[in-house]
Amino acid sequence: GQQVMQIPQYQHVQEGEDFTTYCNSSTTLSNIQWYKQRPGGHPVFLIQLVKSGEVKKQKRLTFQFGEAKKNSSLHITATQTTDVGTYFCAGRTGRRALTFGSGTRLQVQP
Amino acid sequence: DSGVTQTPKHLITATGQRVTLRCSPRSGDLSVYWYQQSLDQGLQFLIQYYNGEERAKGNILERFSAQQFPDLHSELNLSSLELGDSALYFCASSVGDTSGYTFGSGTRLTVV
Repeated sequence: GQQVMQIPQYQHVQEGEDFTTYCNSSTTLSNIQWYKQRPGGHPVFLIQLVKSGEVKKQKRLTFQFGEAKKNSSLHITATQTTDVGTYFCAGRTGRRALTFGSGTRLQVQP
Repeated sequence: DSGVTQTPKHLITATGQRVTLRCSPRSGDLSVYWYQQSLDQGLQFLIQYYNGEERAKGNILERFSAQQFPDLHSELNLSSLELGDSALYFCASSVGDTSGYTFGSGTRLTVV
């Protein structure tokens, strides 16, 4: 079945440093979504990427979808303590339910 | 409040028992999804319903079953519970098959 791998599993940064998490799918995706889960909370939808090579920005967050539609990345510029949480990518093939990656847990040291 | 309501928030039960988790989707959303999240783990897809009908099944055990009712709320039934079933169970809803999910706050199940 479809597998979505995410690295790194965990990252600890100093406030103000940049952060990147990478997502790779075993199959070509129709689209990819990103979610953020704060400690003790539930996943919250951040963004969806649909087109090959698509790049979207949300303030300090930059999301990319690979040309082959099998990989994606999330980059956070100048992290803040409010960025703490686990970031999940989730890939979809056709109209199937989302397959979530294992997540990257981000810790930000003030 | 995300608009997706899950009850109960916490559940403690003994091995071998049966429990029912309830989910009310966001108003207007026709799709309901159930996911299991074990400690420090990712989200494992269990099952999806669309407008009352089962749409897709994931890694759902035979001891688990679900349904979606005419008012679109959904229930996840877990029976013959084992210690390994302890986890967070999330319900999510979406408008259609290709849109983002809105998650509920989850039900934390502890099997003792």
